[in-house]
Amino acid sequence: GAGVSQSPRYKVAKRGQDVALRCDPISGHVSLFWYQQALGQGPEFLTYFQNEAQLDKSGLPSDRFFAERPEGSVSTLKIQRTQQEDSAVYLCASSLVGGGTEAFFGQGTRLTVV
Amino acid sequence: AQSVSQHNHHVILSEAASLELGCNYSYGGTVNLFWYVQYPGQHLQLLLKYFSGDPLVKGIKGFEAEFIKSKFSFNLRKPSVQWSDTAEYFCAVRRIINNDMRFGAGTRLTVKP
Repeated sequence: GAGVSQSPRYKVAKRGQDVALRCDPISGHVSLFWYQQALGQGPEFLTYFQNEAQLDKSGLPSDRFFAERPEGSVSTLKIQRTQQEDSAVYLCASSLVGGGTEAFFGQGTRLTVV
Repeated sequence: AQSVSQHNHHVILSEAASLELGCNYSYGGTVNLFWYVQYPGQHLQLLLKYFSGDPLVKGIKGFEAEFIKSKFSFNLRKPSVQWSDTAEYFCAVRRIINNDMRFGAGTRLTVKP
């Protein structure tokens, strides 16, 4: 597609519910990033993929968070047993790999846990 | 801890005033540097970027930034702001060694007409 696409745009989950957030990167982009952006804050790094390999998951806040990119294209961020503190906008970005490349962002998924 | 620091949380200016937003990072090694802007209700968009060469880079809408390697800084400037520049501005650093990218906490700019 023309840009990074994320779905759903909005998600309301009851506390304890599992959610899955989808990211369709720009075609051909090797790198894919997930970020969590709380209200009034900057994007906080969650995890990074290069093709299907998850090279860095140091930003995942707990073992309730899991991300995958099985075929090196679409990625899913899954949050199990959601808590209120998980409420945030989840951003996905993709880029070509290597120096000199910029990341392109999707619109984000706004997750509200009630 | 390695990080990206933006010094100003909220800046309020009148139209035509000059702008400078600070950004410092603490990573060693080769980095790429970016400023992204987020207008209300919109997604993050690239404002400008530094990869190599001339440390003074020019971006869209009259913005520019200067990379000072010795100070680990990449400050954003604009000589004369407009009301339409009201937005959130984020500095980002990408480490070449592992390709990951981290952001500062952001600076909210409000320009009064």
